[in-house]
Amino acid sequence: AQTVTQSQPEMSVQEAETVTLSCTYDTSESDYYLFWYKQPPSRQMILVIRQEAYKQQNATENRFSVNFQKAAKSFSLKISDSQLGDAAMYFCAYRSAEEVDFGNEKLTFGTGTRLTIIP
Amino acid sequence: GAVVSQHPSWVICKSGTSVKIECRSLDFQATTMFWYRQFPKQSLMLMATSNEGSKATYEQGVEKDKFLINHASLTLSTLTVTSAHPEDSSFYICSARPTGTVSTDTQYFGPGTRLTVL
Repeated sequence: AQTVTQSQPEMSVQEAETVTLSCTYDTSESDYYLFWYKQPPSRQMILVIRQEAYKQQNATENRFSVNFQKAAKSFSLKISDSQLGDAAMYFCAYRSAEEVDFGNEKLTFGTGTRLTIIP
Repeated sequence: GAVVSQHPSWVICKSGTSVKIECRSLDFQATTMFWYRQFPKQSLMLMATSNEGSKATYEQGVEKDKFLINHASLTLSTLTVTSAHPEDSSFYICSARPTGTVSTDTQYFGPGTRLTVL
C-alpha cells in the first residue's frame, strides 16, 4: 500500500517571502500521479498543482512549483511571493496510475501542513 | 466552472437516527463521485467510489450497510449514515469527476458536511 508523509504539521512565512512544504511518499509502483491540494478555512479542497511521475520536468502553476525527486520519493511544494490568501491546510496526495487503469481512482492523502502567512 | 455542492453543510442528529448528505455537481455531469471522511486535524480517507447507475465500491473497513451510497443521476450522489452514533461524527467530503473525462483527470471537491451525532 502507498503512504504519504508530511512531516511539517505547521509552517509560517512572511508575506511576499517563499516557503517550501515537504512531502515524501512510499510506493513500489513506477507510474503514478502526485498532487498538492489546498484546504482553506472554508474546507473546500482546491487542486493547486499536479505532477505525473513519468514526466521529469517539475510542474509549475504561477507562484506554485514543485521539486519532484522520483528516486528519493520526494515531492515538495514551493510557494513564491506568499500572499495572505495562501493561508490554508495543504495536503499532498498520491494516486496510482496502475490502479486508475482498473477504475480505482483512489487518492491517498498525507496528514497536511497548516500554512500561516504573517503580514 | 466545475462546482460541486454539498447539502447540508452542517447537521446535528440524535444517536440512532439516519442522516442523508447530498453531493451535487452543479455545472457538469459526473459519472463517478467519491466520498471521503476527514477526522479533526487529520487527513482525508476515501470511503467509497460511487458510479452512476451501479453499486458503490467501498474501501476496506467501511461498512456498506452503515454508509449507504446512491448515485441515481449524473449530477447527484447521496450518502446516508444509518443509525448514526457519536463515533460517526466527522467531516464528510465528496468529489466528482466530469463525465467524458478519463480517470486520470481532476476530481472536483465539494465544501464538505460536518456531522455531529449527540
